[in-house]
Amino acid sequence: SAVISQKPSRDICQRGTSLTIQCQVDSQVTMMFWYRQQPGQSLTLIATANQGSEATYESGFVIDKFPISRPNLTFSTLTVSNMSPEDSSIYLCSVGPESDNSFGPGTRLLVL
Amino acid sequence: QKEVEQDPGPLSVPEGAIVSLNCTYSNSAFQYFMWYRQYSRKGPELLMYTYSSGNKEDGRFTAQVDKSSKYISLFIRDSQPSDSATYLCAMSSNTGFQKLVFGTGTRLLVSP
Repeated sequence: SAVISQKPSRDICQRGTSLTIQCQVDSQVTMMFWYRQQPGQSLTLIATANQGSEATYESGFVIDKFPISRPNLTFSTLTVSNMSPEDSSIYLCSVGPESDNSFGPGTRLLVL
Repeated sequence: QKEVEQDPGPLSVPEGAIVSLNCTYSNSAFQYFMWYRQYSRKGPELLMYTYSSGNKEDGRFTAQVDKSSKYISLFIRDSQPSDSATYLCAMSSNTGFQKLVFGTGTRLLVSP
């Protein structure tokens, strides 16, 4: 399985600001995904990060709010833009089946 | 109606008990079924996956899928305190486990 790290592990942010979360994988992977895990809710897929092209967003998520970069096969970033308290959540990156659908440890975000 | 339903628990059992965790789903297109274990403040860890109907065993864990009833189960034999975690079911209709749809997770507590 791939080893996935995320930065930061947690943060407290003010509303209206933006936070960029980094995801680093220890091997090259074709597919990377970003999920959100809100308290008491299921893990929800935000988007698929595509290397060399724009991310593919799921219903309810838009690029202006959650811009994603995927500059190479081991790294991706997710930005949470113009944050509001409703964005308080755990954000996780994941990789595809070639690496056992592993997840990173998550980034805990609290927006005040 | 959610696509995947899972009782949030908590489910409390004594050490050595047999644990049964379940999910129901509504989308008949789901073909791939997964169970993840998530310890507190960690990312989900893939435990088992199965394709279509049937059983799969791995050590103390058995995954069971009944597509006719749209019902999946994870059994844990001889449960240990180290099994205390949240167990998430996940499903996909795509080849290669893309676009996973998760249940909310069941919190399991195994007391010594």
